[in-house]
Amino acid sequence: DGGITQSPKYLFRKEGQNVTLSCEQNLNHDAMYWYRQDPGQGLRLIYYSQIVNDFQKGDIAEGYSVSREKKESFPLTVTSAQKNPTAFYLCASSTRLALNYGYTFGSGTRLTVV
Amino acid sequence: KQEVTQIPAALSVPEGENLVLNCSFTDSAIYNLQWFRQDPGKGLTSLLLIQSSQREQTSGRLNASLDKSSGRSTLYIAASQPGDSATYLCAVRHNAGGTSYGKLTFGQGTILTVHP
Repeated sequence: DGGITQSPKYLFRKEGQNVTLSCEQNLNHDAMYWYRQDPGQGLRLIYYSQIVNDFQKGDIAEGYSVSREKKESFPLTVTSAQKNPTAFYLCASSTRLALNYGYTFGSGTRLTVV
Repeated sequence: KQEVTQIPAALSVPEGENLVLNCSFTDSAIYNLQWFRQDPGKGLTSLLLIQSSQREQTSGRLNASLDKSSGRSTLYIAASQPGDSATYLCAVRHNAGGTSYGKLTFGQGTILTVHP
């Protein structure tokens, strides 16, 4: 079955550490996205990528980095510059050229700073 | 700037009731509107997608309507069940500064509890 796989489900980060969240899709979607979800604030866009080797900052990109070397993969690195990284992170994908299609989401990664 | 608001923030109903969740958005220039369900600690599951040219979509006990000109959408759930308990999120896909991908802007959700 096609879908989006996020790993790990839970991740713990020490102060000053970089961590990488994995997102893989087998839907043959062009575009991929990373969102952050905090209680009471809804989902906010971190980064997005429309095609391989291209990505753009979203609304809250500071302290995060991404890469898009393969169509299927869009990993997110939470760097030590992100001052408040504890949140639920969601990856999504969609077809870039068909704006009438919806988004598909993964099951999320919960990141906690210890 | 597109803003999406969902009312009510929380709703508690007895099993069997029909209920309506509301979503409003400030900019009517949208490509589509999508309703999602989120269970605690889980990802988002797409329920219904309404194109900007459509008025409503139905799936089982769910019916979503869209009035683009007034910036409103409603999600109607018939004969609610305890298994419907979850957070329901509304999101609009709209133009984002000339990029071709569009942008998905979310409301903060309605927390629904259906008790037996």
